[in-house]
Formats: sequence, C-alpha cells, structure tokens
Amino acid sequence: SQELEQSPQSLIVQEGKNLTINCTSSKTLYGLYWYKQKYGEGLIFLMMLQKGGEEKSHEKITAKLDEKKQQSSLHITASQPSHAGIYLCGADPTGNTPLVFGKGTRLSVIA
Amino acid sequence: GAVVSQHPSRVICKSGTSVKIECRSLDFQATTMFWYRQFPKQSLMLMATSNEGSKATYEQGVEKDKFLINHASLTLSTLTVTSAHPEDSSFYICSARSLPSPLHFGNGTRLTVT
Repeated sequence: SQELEQSPQSLIVQEGKNLTINCTSSKTLYGLYWYKQKYGEGLIFLMMLQKGGEEKSHEKITAKLDEKKQQSSLHITASQPSHAGIYLCGADPTGNTPLVFGKGTRLSVIA
Repeated sequence: GAVVSQHPSRVICKSGTSVKIECRSLDFQATTMFWYRQFPKQSLMLMATSNEGSKATYEQGVEKDKFLINHASLTLSTLTVTSAHPEDSSFYICSARSLPSPLHFGNGTRLTVT
C-alpha cells in the first residue's frame, strides 16, 4: 500500500525565516498534492505536481517533485504568521483514486 | 474554481441517535466523492469512496452499517452516522473532484457524541 512519510512533524520558525517541509513516498506517484489545514477546518489546496522535476510556486510557497516522482518538498520563503497551520501532502497513486495523506507538519510562526 | 460545500460544520448529538452529513459539489458534477475521518492531531484517513448511482466502496475496518453513504446525484453525497456513540466523535471531511482538476475538500464536520 502507498505510504507517505512527512517531515518534520512540527516546526516553529521565527517570522521572516525560510523553511522546508518534506514528503517521501514508498512508491512512484502519479501525482503529489499539497494542502494546508487550519485546526478543525477543511483543507485548502495549495499545489499539485505531476511531472518528474516539476516545480510550482504560489506567492511565497514553492513545491518541487523529484525526477523519480517519489519525493516532494514544500518551501516557504520569508514566513509570516498567516502561514501557520498544518501542511499535508497527499499521494495520488494512479490518477483517479482517493488521496493517501502523510501525517502532516504543524507549522507555527512566531513574531 | 471548484467548490465543495459540507454541512453541518458542527453537530452535537446524544448517544444512540443518527446524524447525517451532506457534501455538495457546487459548480461541477462529481461522479465520485471521498469521505475521510480525522482524529485530533492525526492525518486524514479514507473511510469510503462514494459512487453516484451505486454502492459506496468502504475501506477495510470501516463499518458499512455504521456509516451509511448515499450518492443520490452528481452533486450530493451524504454520510449518515447511525446509532452514534462517543467513539464516533471525530472530524469528518468530504472531497470531490472533476478530472483533471485537483481534489477539493469541504470544510469538514465536527461531530461530538455525548
């Protein structure tokens, strides 16, 4: 079965600092999704990566997928308090199957 | 963009009663919707795949008679937690997708069974 390892589990950074969250799959993926979740709320779609070596950016968040399509990283530049939340990576094994999620990374940004 | 609406956002019920949660795709048709469950500080666990016009596909360990899923139309799936007990208290969240768009999630329903 598909397994996703996400690291770190939690992260506390000072406002303005950069940070990286990693997501590693045990199998080659069709697609890799990144979501953000505030505690007790729904998931906000951030980015979807499907091609090996692909990189996408939105505002200060950049996500990359390695060539083998097994590892992804999410990088936040100059973090702000609004970036705080839980970041989840989700694996799409085949293209039309439900996502399997990592355990999430809880990000806190302190002033 | 695609929006998924989930209702209610919070519900408190007494043990033994049933609770229905609705998931609607607002601007697209979804032949398939997915129901997840999330415990505090845990990741999302897939419960079942809801298929329009046919029976839902449940993940291993999920009780079909406890969690009834009905996908009556291309825009609506419902999850009914029957004879709820305190251990059913959790955060339930649905998702839907219209390919090739990414999977979009509802805002979730926090169920508390007293």
